[in-house]
Amino acid sequence: QSVLTQPPSVSGAPGQRVTISCTGSSSNIGAGYDVHWYQHLPGAAPKLLIYGNTHRPSGVPDRFSGSKSGTSASLVITGLQAGAEADYYCQSYDSSLAAYVFGTGTKVTVL
Amino acid sequence: QVQLQESGPGLVKPSETLSLSCSVSRDFISSHYWSWIRQPPGKGLEWIGYLFYGGSTNYNPSLKSRVTISADTSKNQFFLNLSSVTAADTAVYYCARDRGDGYTLSFDSWGQGTLVIVSS
Repeated sequence: QSVLTQPPSVSGAPGQRVTISCTGSSSNIGAGYDVHWYQHLPGAAPKLLIYGNTHRPSGVPDRFSGSKSGTSASLVITGLQAGAEADYYCQSYDSSLAAYVFGTGTKVTVL
Repeated sequence: QVQLQESGPGLVKPSETLSLSCSVSRDFISSHYWSWIRQPPGKGLEWIGYLFYGGSTNYNPSLKSRVTISADTSKNQFFLNLSSVTAADTAVYYCARDRGDGYTLSFDSWGQGTLVIVSS
């Protein structure tokens, strides 16, 4: 079981906004380690969506945004599109485990 | 843009060693951190470990006793060896490169992944 907890699923209608939470602890997010987010489409390699808590790599639409506060982080998707249906993972480092860790994953469904 | 491609046997017997290669193009493994990450069927992603040029390695403590990551700079490839495998090691294995931006390690380039099944 991962030390970064995400809701198993979130859903929204096209055009709506959805938020995915990533809850950690004082040994990972709360310790100041950065949080990154990935989009994982079926059969494809994971794609880096957000790095360094809030930054988008070149080519990632500004409909995706990230934030971090305390021991948690969030990914917000606005203007939800069918192409956003995928699994989303947060990722950070845990000093107690001495390992890079991924969140439990969230499946986004567009209604 | 860097490209990574995993290769290796898709079927490994229990108790044997899983060996995979990752070929890197349009970048040199003499820079960046190069990682292996896996995803068991129906489960989430798990970081296995990384190699940094010069031979420095860092492994997930949960797998450390069984993992070796190495590289051949002449071929621009790096490798994963996972010994004493069991069915629990059945997964899609990805190789990945870090973004190299000073933030906590993130993975900005990934291979397509290769499914390895552990079964007799």
